[in-house]
Amino acid sequence: DAMVIQNPRYQVTQFGKPVTLSCSQTLNHNVMYWYQQKSSQAPKLLFHYYDKDFNNEADTPDNFQSRRPNTSFCFLDIRSPGLGDAAMYLCATSRGKGETQYFGPGTRLLVL
Amino acid sequence: EDKVVQSPLSLVVHEGDTVTLNCSYEVTNFRSLLWYKQEKKAPTFLFMLTSSGIEKKSGRLSSILDKKELSSILNITATQTGDSAIYLCAVEAGTDKLIFGTGTRLQVFP
Repeated sequence: DAMVIQNPRYQVTQFGKPVTLSCSQTLNHNVMYWYQQKSSQAPKLLFHYYDKDFNNEADTPDNFQSRRPNTSFCFLDIRSPGLGDAAMYLCATSRGKGETQYFGPGTRLLVL
Repeated sequence: EDKVVQSPLSLVVHEGDTVTLNCSYEVTNFRSLLWYKQEKKAPTFLFMLTSSGIEKKSGRLSSILDKKELSSILNITATQTGDSAIYLCAVEAGTDKLIFGTGTRLQVFP
């Protein structure tokens, strides 16, 4: 029944070691989003894809990249994780712009 | 700058109480307001509101939007311990993103 799937659920990486988080969806939604949520804070949008059109938020660090090879999958690449990047990373999808966003379970990233 | 403010930040009640959570916003090109419930994982969708004055209801939860006052309330009646969570309000503005409030942490004790 899972519609937005994130893997892994928990990821531990070393300072500076590249890491990739993945998100897949079975909803055939056009839009996919990546959010970063730090402890006790609201989710913060990093970027989103409308189909293949990539939209980066102005304050998203260059360290964060994303790929969407097809409709179903979207990846978040963190090139050189710092201690401050430890957070919950949430993937969400929506059928179109302005439509309800559905969230995956999140991947909790720990940077040692 | 687009802004979403929720109040109170934290609320502690006993089972059976009724609670009202508030969300106010200042955004350009308002499109919709959404309520999410977040426990120890990703937010789950509760309501989407686009029209003023129309109440959305799901069981013990209900929500209404007041576009004139730029605000929304989320009501939970007969609260249960399972209602303990952070309730997030988010507003979709002219750009294709959600602006989240900081959330209200609700704790319901038996």
